[in-house]
Amino acid sequence: EIVLTQSPATLSLSPGERATLSCRASQSISNNLAWYQQKPGQAPRLLIYADSNRATGIPARFSGSGSGTDFTLTISSLEPEDFAVYYCQHRSSWPRTWTFGQGTKVEIK
Amino acid sequence: QVQLVESGGGLVKPGGSLRLSCAASGFTFSDYWMTWIRQAPGKGLEWVSYISSRDSTIYYADSMKGRFTISRDNAKNSLSLQMNNLRAEDTGVYYCARGNWNHAFDIWGQGTMVTVSS
Repeated sequence: EIVLTQSPATLSLSPGERATLSCRASQSISNNLAWYQQKPGQAPRLLIYADSNRATGIPARFSGSGSGTDFTLTISSLEPEDFAVYYCQHRSSWPRTWTFGQGTKVEIK
Repeated sequence: QVQLVESGGGLVKPGGSLRLSCAASGFTFSDYWMTWIRQAPGKGLEWVSYISSRDSTIYYADSMKGRFTISRDNAKNSLSLQMNNLRAEDTGVYYCARGNWNHAFDIWGQGTMVTVSS
């Protein structure tokens, strides 16, 4: 079973700064990593799918990269509405399961 | 607009049952696989169950096998989750979500709260 480990657990930054969030898989995965944003009291929202593709309506300041076991979500310049919790997610082929990382909270410094 | 709306959550005693529903609108429901995902209070996201677009393939997370049953009615644009033998650790917000061609969840409902407590 693939385990996704996100780091750091909390990222304290100021608006306008660059955020770099990491997601590490316990074994190599490819083309199957997604990123979500969740604000308090709201459902998660898909940001990135298939490692690096922005979902519909997602601003260009959000980008995904990586391959193998190491993946990164980058927010180039934080806007006030970007302070939230971010999750990575992967679908395993066998057994067929969907796994989430434990989340990274981006908070205002 | 594309929308998923869950219902059916509530307070139930340990060992009890609950049936969650998810009403889909704004898209061709029968074209998409669907899933349930839950979130315990203050915790992260946990995948619960998957059902293919035509109902032929179903998967469950290990801790739900034998207790939860996912189903769908494409004629009614509806997804369901029958939950039996509920435990305190099943407490949380349950989301239905639509799956896309890249194995991600691109549309989410607002969630319905399930509380298992005596």
